[in-house]
Amino acid sequence: EVQLLESGGGLVQPGGSLRLSCAASGFTFSRYEMNWVRQAPGKGLEWVSYISASGTSKTYADSVKGRLTISRDNAKNSLYLQMNSLRAEDTAVYYCARDIGYDSRGLPKPGYFQNWGQGTLVTVSS
Amino acid sequence: DIEMTQSPSSLSASVGDRVTISCQASQDISNYLNWYQQKPGKAPKLLIYDASSLETGVPLRFIGRGSGTDFTLTINSLQPEDIATYYCQQFDNLPFTFGPGTKVDIK
Repeated sequence: EVQLLESGGGLVQPGGSLRLSCAASGFTFSRYEMNWVRQAPGKGLEWVSYISASGTSKTYADSVKGRLTISRDNAKNSLYLQMNSLRAEDTAVYYCARDIGYDSRGLPKPGYFQNWGQGTLVTVSS
Repeated sequence: DIEMTQSPSSLSASVGDRVTISCQASQDISNYLNWYQQKPGKAPKLLIYDASSLETGVPLRFIGRGSGTDFTLTINSLQPEDIATYYCQQFDNLPFTFGPGTKVDIK
């Protein structure tokens, strides 16, 4: 069974830093692309960042570019999100999501969020 | 960025009713459209991928249709366990973007 377990959330002051982790199990982590998606309290879903299976390709939403950094350690079956220069608008539940990575024709196509963790809450407030 | 819109923003229907949610993309996204269900306090769950393909384990009453810019999610015979917010999401272009959601509850 695919399991994704986020951790590392908490209360942080504006301008502060936090590192989120996502522990994966039940599948061969090194073969899958991964994403972070967030949801502000009472709001909709916002894609934050993507990382390829090898970790060599990364993309970010404009709203977090330069402040949040995605990474992974395939030996530890773990995904990370380093969050710096945090702002109040970064307050959200952060989900890690496993990406199928291929379309129905078998062509590379990231963006299918097939499995999600339970989320970890980040609150940015003084 | 591709903007996704959904209508209605919320709806109330009776058990057994057919419910349809619409999703529109601001530009042609082919069939690169997914639907997610999010129950209160839970993580989203993938229901439909590639606009019309049912994810494994999802009940057959969920039907996705459309291509290009206009898409629909239909729930045939609404059940109490379908109470949730439903989101569409495009993955034709980065950044991946979601619709604002449609909240479904029971009348």
